[in-house]
Amino acid sequence: AQSVTQLGSHVSVSEGALVLLRCNYSSSVPPYLFWYVQYPNQGLQLLLKYTSAATLVKGINGFEAEFKKSETSFHLTKPSAHMSDAAEYFCAVSDNGATNKLIFGTGTLLAVQP
Amino acid sequence: DGGITQSPKYLFRKEGQNVTLSCEQNLNHDAMYWYRQDPGQGLRLIYYSQIVNDFQKGDIAEGYSVSREKKESFPLTVTSAQKNPTAFYLCASSSTGTASGYTFGSGTRLTVV
Repeated sequence: AQSVTQLGSHVSVSEGALVLLRCNYSSSVPPYLFWYVQYPNQGLQLLLKYTSAATLVKGINGFEAEFKKSETSFHLTKPSAHMSDAAEYFCAVSDNGATNKLIFGTGTLLAVQP
Repeated sequence: DGGITQSPKYLFRKEGQNVTLSCEQNLNHDAMYWYRQDPGQGLRLIYYSQIVNDFQKGDIAEGYSVSREKKESFPLTVTSAQKNPTAFYLCASSSTGTASGYTFGSGTRLTVV
């Protein structure tokens, strides 16, 4: 069965610093992978997704993620953090079964210090 | 604009009461989902529906019930059997095909008083 692990439940960076949020997946077949962002008291918004095309995926708000099959990873990065990036980020993998279900990681709360 | 609407935004429930959370989408999506979110626990799947008049239990269905009488609507009832209902509830929808991902509503925060 597919699963997702997000390393680090809390990450803190300074404004202008590199953002790196880690996601590793477990899947017996090529997966579809997603990153979502959640601001306080709001729903989740899709940042980007990998669907077996280019391994480097660019998303909204300057974020990107690279699919590395050999490392079973799909880490999210942004070169320069902005205060508005403070939010919770969720990685998800499709179950590749008969349903459309996504399996979500437990989330990483990103804090951006001035 | 197409989207998914959850109402109400905030809901208060007394002990022993059933309450129903509304979820409506106009995206023509076949599948709809309900998740519960608690601090530090990520998203946990309560129920999902792939098609009208059919739904399946997720990981934490006890104390909850759903219906899917229309494609656009997937209401969730939190029954008195749910012993710890205080949480943030998220509804989502998706089209067929696992590459589509989900579209989420803005959530309902339920508090037991």
